[in-house]
Amino acid sequence: AQSVAQPEDQVNVAEGNPLTVKCTYSVSGNPYLFWYVQYPNRGLQFLLKYITGDNLVKGSYGFEAEFNKSQTSFHLKKPSALVSDSALYFCAVRDPWDGGYNKLIFGAGTRLAVHP
Amino acid sequence: NAGVTQTPKFQVLKTGQSMTLQCAQDMNHNSMYWYRQDPGMGLRLIYYSASEGTTDKGEVPNGYNVSRLNKREFSLRLESAAPSQTSVYFCASSGGHIMNTEAFFGQGTRLTVV
Repeated sequence: AQSVAQPEDQVNVAEGNPLTVKCTYSVSGNPYLFWYVQYPNRGLQFLLKYITGDNLVKGSYGFEAEFNKSQTSFHLKKPSALVSDSALYFCAVRDPWDGGYNKLIFGAGTRLAVHP
Repeated sequence: NAGVTQTPKFQVLKTGQSMTLQCAQDMNHNSMYWYRQDPGMGLRLIYYSASEGTTDKGEVPNGYNVSRLNKREFSLRLESAAPSQTSVYFCASSGGHIMNTEAFFGQGTRLTVV
């Protein structure tokens, strides 16, 4: 069964410093991987996805993520954090070979706090 | 273009009452999902529908039923609400094609069961 782990409940970083939010997954085949962001009292917004191809994918608001198949990871990164990046971040996985069920599973989320 | 629309936004129920959460999408997506969000638990999949006419259980289906009324609409029903169902509920939809496989979310329904 597919699953996602986000090992950190919270990540604290100073504004201007690089940030990393970690995600590992478990899927039988090659996964589709996603990152979403949630601001207070809002729905989830799509940031970026990995489907195939280049392991480094770029998304909205200067975020990027690196797919590492050997480590089954898909960490979210940004070279220089902004206070406005403070939010709840979710990693998600879909198994494209699940017989067309399109089941989409999320991790528990990581709260990012960027301090001035 | 409204995207994914959920109603209602807020609801308070008494234990044992029933209600239906409505969800509609206008993106012609095949797949639709219902999640609940609880502190520290992330988003947990309740039910999903890969296409019109099909529904499947997710991680936490007990106490819920769903209906995929047509391609646009996917409703979630609580037959006899319990305090443990107090949560924020999100509906989402996604296309099946590789180019539009990301999910789009509604704004959520905050449900309190007293």
